[in-house]
Amino acid sequence: AAGVIQSPRHLIKEKRETATLKCYPIPRHDTVYWYQQGPGQDPQFLISFYEKMQSDKGSIPDRFSAQQFSDYHSELNMSSLELGDSALYFCASSKGGQGETQYFGPGTRLLVL
Amino acid sequence: GQQVMQIPQYQHVQEGEDFTTYCNSSTTLSNIQWYKQRPGGHPVFLIQLVKSGEVKKQKRLTFQFGEAKKNSSLHITATQTTDVGTYFCAGNNDYKLSFGAGTTVTVRA
Repeated sequence: AAGVIQSPRHLIKEKRETATLKCYPIPRHDTVYWYQQGPGQDPQFLISFYEKMQSDKGSIPDRFSAQQFSDYHSELNMSSLELGDSALYFCASSKGGQGETQYFGPGTRLLVL
Repeated sequence: GQQVMQIPQYQHVQEGEDFTTYCNSSTTLSNIQWYKQRPGGHPVFLIQLVKSGEVKKQKRLTFQFGEAKKNSSLHITATQTTDVGTYFCAGNNDYKLSFGAGTTVTVRA
C-alpha cells in the first residue's frame, strides 16, 4: 500500500539559510500534519491542513510557514534557520480531518550547522 | 491545555517477561491512539481505542482504555527482541492529538 512520502530524507543547511520540506500524503487522504521531533523526544505538533486550509496550529515558529496544494501535497518552508531547528521532521496524513488515524512518513532529518 | 503523561520513560525488559506502559490525560479523550517507533524509524500506528473500558488485543499486545476515557495502558506479554522501540500514546481531544513522551523499551536476551 502507498505510504506518505517525504523529501528530502536528509538535509544539511547552515544558520540563517532556508529549507523547504515536501510531503506527499497517502492517496485520497485530505489532511496533512507536520511534526518536529528532537532527539529522545516525542513528536511535537507544528501545523495541519485539511482540504488545503490550515486546520490547526501548534508550536510552529513564526520563521516557518506551510501550505497544502491542490493535489494535497504539503510543503514546510523554514527560514532563518537556527541550530535548534536541527531535528527530525515528520509529515503525517489522515482521511477525514483531525481525530482520525494519522499515518506517518519516514521523516526528513534536518541538520543545521 | 491538554497534557498526556506517559510512564515509565524507559523500560528494560528481560526477554520473555511482561511489561506495561501507562498513559494519563488531564482531560477526557475522544479516543487514544498508540504508535510504535523503532530506532531510526518513524511512528507506526498500532491501534485506536474509542469506547470507555475498551480492550483490544494484537497478538501479545493488549491495549486498554479506562472507564473515564482519561487513561490507557499497553501490556506486552512474553517480550521479544522485536518489541524494541519507543511506544507512544496519543490522546485525541477536540480534534487535537497530543503525544505522550513515550516509553523506550530495550530487551536483554
